[in-house]
Amino acid sequence: SQQGEEDPQALSIQEGENATMNCSYKTSINNLQWYRQNSGRGLVHLILIRSNEREKHSGRLRVTLDTSKKSSSLLITASRAADTASYFCAKVTGGGADGLTFGKGTHLIIQP
Amino acid sequence: DAGITQSPRHKVTETGTPVTLRCHQTENHRYMYWYRQDPGHGLRLIHYSYGVKDTDKGEVSDGYSVSRSKTEDFLLTLESATSSQTSVYFCAISERGTGANTGELFFGEGSRLTVL
Repeated sequence: SQQGEEDPQALSIQEGENATMNCSYKTSINNLQWYRQNSGRGLVHLILIRSNEREKHSGRLRVTLDTSKKSSSLLITASRAADTASYFCAKVTGGGADGLTFGKGTHLIIQP
Repeated sequence: DAGITQSPRHKVTETGTPVTLRCHQTENHRYMYWYRQDPGHGLRLIHYSYGVKDTDKGEVSDGYSVSRSKTEDFLLTLESATSSQTSVYFCAISERGTGANTGELFFGEGSRLTVL
């Protein structure tokens, strides 16, 4: 089953605007991660937020986590054409090595 | 970029034939993963390895087997390919495993498999 469902499925904005993507999940997590995938490429890790953290920043990225609502959001500020990609949230529930559970992603298009 | 090489990058095969995809890493990471990516499903875990000769099943392991005889190589085998296994396959590696709170994954560029 999918855990970590992104919303919206697709988002198109103008360059310079901010982009916000949301991720919901169903069970408790150890941490939640965001990845970017450019067309035809592999996924690239963006940021990890632990279950006891509420907000993290990395450059133009801001991630929030609300464990009471079982949701996270990724904000990209001052978007650029190069930010056009699909963005996935992925969660870790256990302490084992059995991978991340990914959502279906948000496809972000930045219009020049 | 993490040193992960997937081969072949593209393959077209026929139903019923065996197929092996290879993932090679130069990072000496302990954990290796195979995912498949399909429209409408996102990424789903097929198998993973937590050490040489140590492997386990993921969410969608039916029809797939894996082997890891060396730290650097993780092979995914489709014993008898079916059209439902047409997909893009991604290998990923992790130094500490995803259960650790620093357990990010590094992905290869993918192998696109078409089964006719």
